[in-house]
Amino acid sequence: QVQLQESGPGLVKPSETLSLTCTVSGGSISIISYYWGWIRQPPGKGLEWIGTIYHTGSTYLNPSLKSRVTISLDTSNNQFSLRLHSVTAADTAVYYCARPPSVLVPAPGAGGAFDIWGQGTMVTVSS
Amino acid sequence: EIVLTQSPGTLSLSPGERATLSCRASQSVSNSHLAWYQQKPGQAPRLLIYGASSRATGIPDRFSGSGSGTDFTLTISRLEPEDFAVYYCQQYRSSPGTFGQGTKVEIK
Repeated sequence: QVQLQESGPGLVKPSETLSLTCTVSGGSISIISYYWGWIRQPPGKGLEWIGTIYHTGSTYLNPSLKSRVTISLDTSNNQFSLRLHSVTAADTAVYYCARPPSVLVPAPGAGGAFDIWGQGTMVTVSS
Repeated sequence: EIVLTQSPGTLSLSPGERATLSCRASQSVSNSHLAWYQQKPGQAPRLLIYGASSRATGIPDRFSGSGSGTDFTLTISRLEPEDFAVYYCQQYRSSPGTFGQGTKVEIK
């Protein structure tokens, strides 16, 4: 049973970089044809897809965030990570890591449908 | 970008009643690549439906999805106490993937 767990600072200063890690247990992130993704949810608001990474390391990012986002794999630690640069208060949100099974990724640029989620981690951007 | 509009914003019903939630897309969603999620306070979303009408693993059969093109529906045939939550639709065919703003199903 694959499980995901986000970790990282809960408070980030404006203009700095938000860095989160998702640790995968119960399965390897290197398995062929697996994707892994990040989604966020501002307080009291809806969900926004940030980006998805394939087991090869290829990334697919939301154009609205593409210039500020980096997603990468760390296969040795069975983790994948999110870096969001130049944050503002508008980036305050609960950040989720999640897995879309390959069969639910008909178009990687759209992220996929996510069947396994981490519990989420709240990140506040404030000085 | 495909904009998904969910209606109503809030649905007030009693346990045992039928819930019908709507999701309308600004453009056709190819091959019905539309999903529905349930989210309870303080929890991550849970995948209910994918491909517009296929139930995810472990989802009770009181949940059903239908629709194609630009109009999709999630139906809960008989509301159980644990079904009161917020529901989101998502299209995952056109970049970027997008979510609706959510429908809250609350106890009347």
